[in-house]
Order: sequence, then C-alpha cells, then structure tokens
Amino acid sequence: DADVTQTPRNRITKTGKRIMLECSQTKGHDRMYWYRQDPGLGLRLIYYSFDVKDINKGEISDGYSVSRQAQAKFSLSLESAIPNQTALYFCATSANGFRETQYFGPGTRLLVL
Amino acid sequence: GQQLNQSPQSMFIQEGEDVSMNCTSSSIFNTWLWYKQDPGEGPVLLIALYKAGELTSNGRLTAQFGITRKDSFLNISASIPSDVGIYFCAGQNAGKSTFGDGTTLTVKP
Repeated sequence: DADVTQTPRNRITKTGKRIMLECSQTKGHDRMYWYRQDPGLGLRLIYYSFDVKDINKGEISDGYSVSRQAQAKFSLSLESAIPNQTALYFCATSANGFRETQYFGPGTRLLVL
Repeated sequence: GQQLNQSPQSMFIQEGEDVSMNCTSSSIFNTWLWYKQDPGEGPVLLIALYKAGELTSNGRLTAQFGITRKDSFLNISASIPSDVGIYFCAGQNAGKSTFGDGTTLTVKP
C-alpha cells in the first residue's frame, strides 16, 4: 500500500466551482505539503503544515486554502476554481528534523474548464 | 523569492553515455536534493546533500553540494533506458524546498 495517497487522481471541474483535493499518509510524519506542477516547470509550494495546529502559506497560496484535519490528513481547497489553476497537484510529507526527506504522493491532475 | 536555474532543460543521449546536469541559485541552501519523476508519478528522491563540498553517490549517480552552497550537480554514468525521466534539483532551508524546472532526459537504445 502507498504511504502517501491522494484523491481524486483526476478531476475535471468548471470555472467557479469549489473543489477539494485530499491527501492521506501512513508514514506518521508531522509535516505535510501541497505543491502544484505546471508543464515544463518544477514544483511550486502552495501551503505547508509542520503539525496539526500549524498552517503556513507557500509561494503561490492565492486562490487556495488548506485544512489539516489530523496528523495523517491534509486537504487543499480551491474555493472558486479558475482555468489557470489547471495543473498537477502533489502532496508530500516529511518527518521533523534537519535531514527530513519529502515523500510525494502520486499526484492529482486537475482540469478547470 | 528564491529561484533555481537548472540546466540543461533537456538532453538526448545514447545508451551508455554519461550525463551531467546542474543547478545554480542566487541564494544559499542548507540542503540540496535531487529527484527523479517518471510519467504519472510523484518525484522520488535520488540523492540528498547536507554539507558544502559533499560528494555523494547512489549507484551510477553522483551528486555534489557546491562549496558556495549556491549550486549542485548530478552526474549519471553509463546511462540505460530506464534513466529516462525528468530530474529535478531542489534547495531546502528550514523544511521548505525550492525546485528547479527540471531536466528531461531521453536515452536512445
């Protein structure tokens, strides 16, 4: 079984709709992250959380919100989706500590029409 | 914000050739990471570097953490078809990673 899972894996939605992407992990990690990836580009950090009560904005948080419901769950919401939010979204987790490695989920492919 | 310049953007090589790619930054990073991403999957960590000047190997892969802490390179020796994919560098400070735009590697048999 995968340590980091994302649902859904693919989603098509319309402009203005609210959508939630979910991430779950069984690694027991405190830290969780949401990234987006656009074609030909690297991953850009949207939000991150270092524990259940901690939420921090990344470099591209506008238009997104997150919820850390439990240590194992971190969800990303688009309150009113727009076409330029069409992208591949990745969740990642890491342990605390200096040499923490990030483990990525398989990604959610989102298309906003 | 912090930006990484990763080069080359793409490489087309013959099986058996060696590959070299690098990342440079205007900012200092405490950790440099190299990932590989296969189609339809998330990035997977290949090598992590934690000290300036550190040289680390993982099989046919070798990476170095630049002395200035603003750059890193990755070498792949004797490439094979399964090396195909997108390779990303990432600089990390305080648990936050900044990614390069990736190097797409194509290996011709």
